[in-house]
Amino acid sequence: DAMVIQNPRYQVTQFGKPVTLSCSQTLNHNVMYWYQQKSSQAPKLLFHYYDKDFNNEADTPDNFQSRRPNTSFCFLDIRSPGLGDAAMYLCATSRRPGLASSDTQYFGPGTRLTVL
Amino acid sequence: SQQGEEDPQALSIQEGENATMNCSYKTSINNLQWYRQNSGRGLVHLILIRSNEREKHSGRLRVTLDTSKKSSSLLITASRAADTASYFCATVDNDYKLSFGAGTTVTVRA
Repeated sequence: DAMVIQNPRYQVTQFGKPVTLSCSQTLNHNVMYWYQQKSSQAPKLLFHYYDKDFNNEADTPDNFQSRRPNTSFCFLDIRSPGLGDAAMYLCATSRRPGLASSDTQYFGPGTRLTVL
Repeated sequence: SQQGEEDPQALSIQEGENATMNCSYKTSINNLQWYRQNSGRGLVHLILIRSNEREKHSGRLRVTLDTSKKSSSLLITASRAADTASYFCATVDNDYKLSFGAGTTVTVRA
């Protein structure tokens, strides 16, 4: 089945130690998103790729970076994780924006990041 | 930035009862969507209602939209234990980014 896959599901890292979270999709969607969701809060968009075009949200810290080497994969890099970066990180995809029914986003199961 | 606000924050009902939750937003929208999130999981899209629509149904779900009041409601009829989850409204404005509310946590008691 077509889907959005995130690996790993649980990630533990140490304070200041770089970490990379992975997302892949078999939907062949143009747009891939990364959200941060802290406990009992709304998902917060960090950035998204429309094809190869990277779009950073204005309030996303510089500590967070992303790469999209091809249509299927997108990575979230946290250069120096702090305790405040502990959260669930959700990857999502959507089709080309502007088309009818393209606004639905398809989410992966998330990666829960713990920072020690 | 967060646009939607949901009410109530938490809801506990008996199996078989209906659950209603509301969402208010601040700016003009292209469409409004509802998502469900089971504990510790990703979000699942439930239903999308466009700004020119007033009501939409999908199975046991009924969504209304009142653009004059900038509000929406989600009704789950004949609730089941499997409906226990957090429910988020999300608005889409002139671009294609979702802006989520803080969610309503629904607990359905057997």
